[in-house]
Amino acid sequence: ILNVEQSPQSLHVQEGDSTNFTCSFPSSNFYALHWYRWETAKSPEALFVMTLNGDEKKKGRISATLNTKEGYSYLYIKGSQPEDSATYLCALSGGTSYGKLTFGQGTILTVHP
Amino acid sequence: EAGVAQSPRYKIIEKRQSVAFWCNPISGHATLYWYQQILGQGPKLLIQFQNNGVVDDSQLPKDRFSAERLKGVDSTLKIQPAKLEDSAVYLCASSLKGQVWYEQYFGPGTRLTVT
Repeated sequence: ILNVEQSPQSLHVQEGDSTNFTCSFPSSNFYALHWYRWETAKSPEALFVMTLNGDEKKKGRISATLNTKEGYSYLYIKGSQPEDSATYLCALSGGTSYGKLTFGQGTILTVHP
Repeated sequence: EAGVAQSPRYKIIEKRQSVAFWCNPISGHATLYWYQQILGQGPKLLIQFQNNGVVDDSQLPKDRFSAERLKGVDSTLKIQPAKLEDSAVYLCASSLKGQVWYEQYFGPGTRLTVT
């Protein structure tokens, strides 16, 4: 059974602050790491899919890095805006997978104006 | 491109009642997933379909939950009878293929409250 851990559980920042979250996972049986953003009452939105050790991806003010050898991924948000307020989920594809995602519990980000 | 559609968006039922959720995936997507997200936890896979066949239902409580995917397109998830602990958001997702690097597209979910 894969165990995916996210920290912190929740985070409050001021508009303009930069912030980052951590996703930890077992380094064995790794296939792909997914990051999603889930705003209240909306569909979870895919941010990144990363498969290679050392992968770095960027989408606007959001970027992510992946270290498969030590089993972690960081998500960075530069210059947070109130519209970045959401739950950020990471999920792992691994083991006997047919695409099944094992999610962490999420990090709830609140950006105050 | 239309996204994944789900209905209803919200449902409140009493324990021991039955409920059904519907999902229409993105056109052409062979793989369909149902996830259950309980408050404070990450989504957990209940069942995965590849076309109209079941690939993984190892975490589906089969004594009360059932799911089908008609003609490899739409899917329904049913709970009968519901328990208090079934209160959760039920998410449907689809992907072009059921492989680890393919992006999964999610619907808005159905929020179920069992009283």
